[in-house]
Amino acid sequence: ELKVEQNPLFLSMQEGKNYTIYCNYSTTSDRLYWYRQDPGKSLESLFVLLSNGAVKQEGRLMASLDTKARLSTLHITAAVHDLSATYFCAVVVASGTYKYIFGTGTRLKVLA
Amino acid sequence: ETGVTQSPTHLIKTRGQQVTLRCSSQSGHNTVSWYQQALGQGPQFIFQYYREEENGRGNFPPRFSGLQFPNYSSELNVNALELDDSALYLCASSLFAGSGTEAFFGQGTRLTVV
Repeated sequence: ELKVEQNPLFLSMQEGKNYTIYCNYSTTSDRLYWYRQDPGKSLESLFVLLSNGAVKQEGRLMASLDTKARLSTLHITAAVHDLSATYFCAVVVASGTYKYIFGTGTRLKVLA
Repeated sequence: ETGVTQSPTHLIKTRGQQVTLRCSSQSGHNTVSWYQQALGQGPQFIFQYYREEENGRGNFPPRFSGLQFPNYSSELNVNALELDDSALYLCASSLFAGSGTEAFFGQGTRLTVV
């Protein structure tokens, strides 16, 4: 069974601190996405990672991909309250069709 | 270029009823996928439509069905609603390019079954 697991599931952190969210997946894939979701809202695309060793950065967020380890990380630098949201990774799998398998999500709360 | 739009945004139905959700794909996109996101969980793949045909299905019962129209818009139909069908339903459109291209998500339809 295809699995995409994230940890931690919940993360409460102080403003200004750094932390990393981990995304492990159990199947080979040629792309991985990170999304942000605010309560009651849809998914906002943050990053797409296409190859082993890929690193993308936007503001205080940096994502990386290790396809050999089947691991992606989302690193948060000097967190601010506005980053409070749920973050999902999603792996694209091709099994007759191209579909996204989402992780369990990490609910991040940044405390002022 | 218009994005992916879904209607309605919110819906309340009674157990046993039927519901139809609608999705207009982004301009130029010919593939639509539907996902169900239960509260506190990640989205789960329901099915995908390409050129008006179902092109793959997740682990959902047959009472979940869909359509795609010549303009690539799509409907998701759910019959005999159950309480566990309460969720956010997300539509995503993409250009089917063989190797998979990025899907763009709509704002979702929040379905509540009472």
